[in-house]
Formats: sequence, structure tokens, C-alpha cells
Amino acid sequence: GAGVSQSPSNKVTEKGKDVELRCDPISGHTALYWYRQSLGQGLEFLIYFQGNSAPDKSGLPSDRFSAERTGGSVSTLTIQRTQQEDSAVYLCASSLLRGSEQYFGPGTRLTVT
Amino acid sequence: AQTVTQSQPEMSVQEAETVTLSCTYDTSENNYYLFWYKQPPSRQMILVIRQEAYKQQNATENRFSVNFQKAAKSFSLKISDSQLGDTAMYFCAFMKPMDSNYQLIWGAGTKLIIKP
Repeated sequence: GAGVSQSPSNKVTEKGKDVELRCDPISGHTALYWYRQSLGQGLEFLIYFQGNSAPDKSGLPSDRFSAERTGGSVSTLTIQRTQQEDSAVYLCASSLLRGSEQYFGPGTRLTVT
Repeated sequence: AQTVTQSQPEMSVQEAETVTLSCTYDTSENNYYLFWYKQPPSRQMILVIRQEAYKQQNATENRFSVNFQKAAKSFSLKISDSQLGDTAMYFCAFMKPMDSNYQLIWGAGTKLIIKP
């Protein structure tokens, strides 16, 4: 079956513009995570969705970041008024259940100029 | 708060050699999971091996095995008979089950280069 997919693969945007990053999890997976990976760093947790529960937004670095998950499937991460420090690879992962193995997408490389 | 430390930013070995990547972590929890993930240049994060803290037996997956030392909070990855395709970034990660969000706490990674 298909794995986790993310789009776009690469995104270059000007400082101050808004961007939307999309994640299509594996069908049937109830949990979905967004992580940010800066150059030479490990992954940083951003947000977690579990079923129809309210998302855990504790990792979002500022109120410019938001995410939603429609119908318990596709998720969109939105960054408003992008800054250069937002440049990173944004990775999405899904898992069948809470605590089970997380499967990752290929990521979106965001470059803010 | 949990932390994960990978002290080797980069390692390089010859093909067919054995290499060990180190990982230490800090936690006051007794029950948790540990993972090694591989990230090749394609950026795809791939699970290599998983260890449950309550299991004393070290996990193995073909050429990959771990040396889990719970008291020392150490979780090293051994790659035997290394292959060119093993070239990648390797990340150690920690998960605290029953946590509210099951997030993974990540080390900074080790860049592994397998030379022909």
C-alpha cells in the first residue's frame, strides 16, 4: 500500500509570505505527527493529531504556525508570515495507533529567502 | 524532561566492516521505547530497530543489533557487514508510552559514510 506522502517536495518562498504544507497519511492510521528538522539537527516535535481528539499543539514554536487535519486523514501545516528561521525540512509521520511505529513521509524542504 | 545524545557527529568505515553508533539518553521513567531511524539522502526516515525498555534481550534485525544498557541509559547500534547502502544519517529516538502524545524525542544524529 501507499506510504505517507507530502507535498510539495520543495518550497521556496519570500519572507513574509504564507505557506501551506500537505501530508497524506497512510490510510487507516489514526495518529499523525508533524516534525521540523533544521540543518544538522534532530527532529523537533510540532503537533500531534489523534483521531477526533483535540490536537496537541505544544510543540508549535509560535502562533504563526497552525495545522489542521480534515476528516481524520489529510493534514495541512500552515506557516504565516514566514521568517528565514522557518527554513527547514518539515516531516510528517503517521501511526496506526497511539504509540505504535511511526511511518514518515519524505518531507517538504522549505526555504525562506 | 527526556534528552537524547548522540556524541558522534560523523563516522566513516570501509564496506564490510562493523560499526557501532552510540546513543545515551536521560529519563526518570522506567517504561519507554527506544528507536534507531535511518535517513538516507532521499530524506525518507526509515525505522531500523526498536527496543522496549522492559525487555532485557537486545533487539536484532538482520545485520542491525543494539546493545541496550538500561542502568547506564545507553542504546548503541551495531551494523555488521556494512554495505554502501547503509550510508545515511542515523538518529536515536526515545518515546515515553502513556505520554499524552507519544512524541519521539530525537538525538542530533550521526552521519555514517560507508566507503567502497
